[in-house]
Amino acid sequence: SAVISQKPSRDICQRGTSLTIQCQVDSQVTMMFWYRQQPGQSLTLIATANQGSEATYESGFVIDKFPISRPNLTFSTLTVSNMSPEDSSIYLCSVEDRPWTGETYNEQFFGPGTRLTVL
Amino acid sequence: AQSVTQLGSHVSVSEGALVLLRCNYSSSVPPYLFWYVQYPNQGLQLLLKYTTGATLVKGINGFEAEFKKSETSFHLTKPSAHMSDAAEYFCAVSGVNNDMRFGAGTRLTVKP
Repeated sequence: SAVISQKPSRDICQRGTSLTIQCQVDSQVTMMFWYRQQPGQSLTLIATANQGSEATYESGFVIDKFPISRPNLTFSTLTVSNMSPEDSSIYLCSVEDRPWTGETYNEQFFGPGTRLTVL
Repeated sequence: AQSVTQLGSHVSVSEGALVLLRCNYSSSVPPYLFWYVQYPNQGLQLLLKYTTGATLVKGINGFEAEFKKSETSFHLTKPSAHMSDAAEYFCAVSGVNNDMRFGAGTRLTVKP
């Protein structure tokens, strides 16, 4: 299974600033995902990031607020722009990987998350 | 489109008691079903999954789940709860496009 790391693990930021979260995978993967988990809630998909193309955003999320980069098959960044206290959440990176050749489905593996607090 | 409903946002059991976490899904195609666990301040870890074949699937830490198509359910069980099982549990479903949708989560508390 893919091993995923995220930086930073947590941060406390001031309103109006921006934070870029990095996601590194130990193997090449086609699809990477960014999720938000607000306090006490489930995961909400922000966007899907494929290498070589623009990210695909879910309803309610826009590129100006959450720009994403995917420069290669092992790395992606998510920026939370012009932050407000409502952006305080855990941000999770995940990757899709086929468990073994011949399987018809992909599993998602998750990074440890970035806990963001906006004051 | 797929969706998941987890019944009960909070379940509390005594140590040694049966754990039952409920999950119902909606899918227009044969679903792939997953249970993930999230320990405090950690990411999500896959507990078990159903893709095809045997409807009773066994996962890590003694958990298992049964896919019941007639009931559109995929409930998670463990015969005997341990203190270390206290965590948040998420049911998820994906379909032919492999887009995954998560339930709201169930927080499991284990009392000594």
